[in-house]
Amino acid sequence: GAVVSQHPSRVICKSGTSVKIECRSLDFQATTMFWYRQFPKKSLMLMATSNEGSKATYEQGVEKDKFLINHASLTLSTLTVTSAHPEDSSFYICSARVGSEPGELFFGEGSRLTVL
Amino acid sequence: AQTVTQSQPEMSVQEAETVTLSCTYDTSESDYYLFWYKQPPSRQMILVIRQEAYKQQNATENRFSVNFQKAAKSFSLKISDSQLGDAAMYFCAYCQGAQKLVFGQGTRLTINP
Repeated sequence: GAVVSQHPSRVICKSGTSVKIECRSLDFQATTMFWYRQFPKKSLMLMATSNEGSKATYEQGVEKDKFLINHASLTLSTLTVTSAHPEDSSFYICSARVGSEPGELFFGEGSRLTVL
Repeated sequence: AQTVTQSQPEMSVQEAETVTLSCTYDTSESDYYLFWYKQPPSRQMILVIRQEAYKQQNATENRFSVNFQKAAKSFSLKISDSQLGDAAMYFCAYCQGAQKLVFGQGTRLTINP
């Protein structure tokens, strides 16, 4: 099946710094990617929808200046957590839409962010 | 807004037995899709099974099947002949239109050898 890769899988940073997480579709082109946040033992919450070549669509309550999303190519979307704080510590997961059928989504392995 | 509810935070089953995970959802739409995803310890989400709301026939994928009750807005997952590799978090999800998935809270399934 299609492969979506996230990097880094784990990152630890100091409070106040910015962290970039990459999401790549390795063997297909993804015009749309989704970014989720998952708290420990909790469900996935959609943060934003990333469309290649256009601005991301953020869900209500998600700070767009805090979580910068860029989808500059058909195989890469990035999530940058700016001026990270301990409350931003979480598991971030991306998914990419493969075809036109709903649910044809493949998920990345996730990235665990820890802000000290 | 659509919501998805999984009322069982944890379930356990003996290896080779059958287990059913519950899911209910709330929507005013008539055309939508429902999914069960599996998240093993590796944390990568894997699609288990998908159901189109306009189809009355319950979806089946090998040992995995669903009981889709549209009027009751219920979508349970049955795992037959449970295997140790089935141990994971299972998420029920809803999708309509723009392919934004709405996930339930998840059910942690433990398989007892």
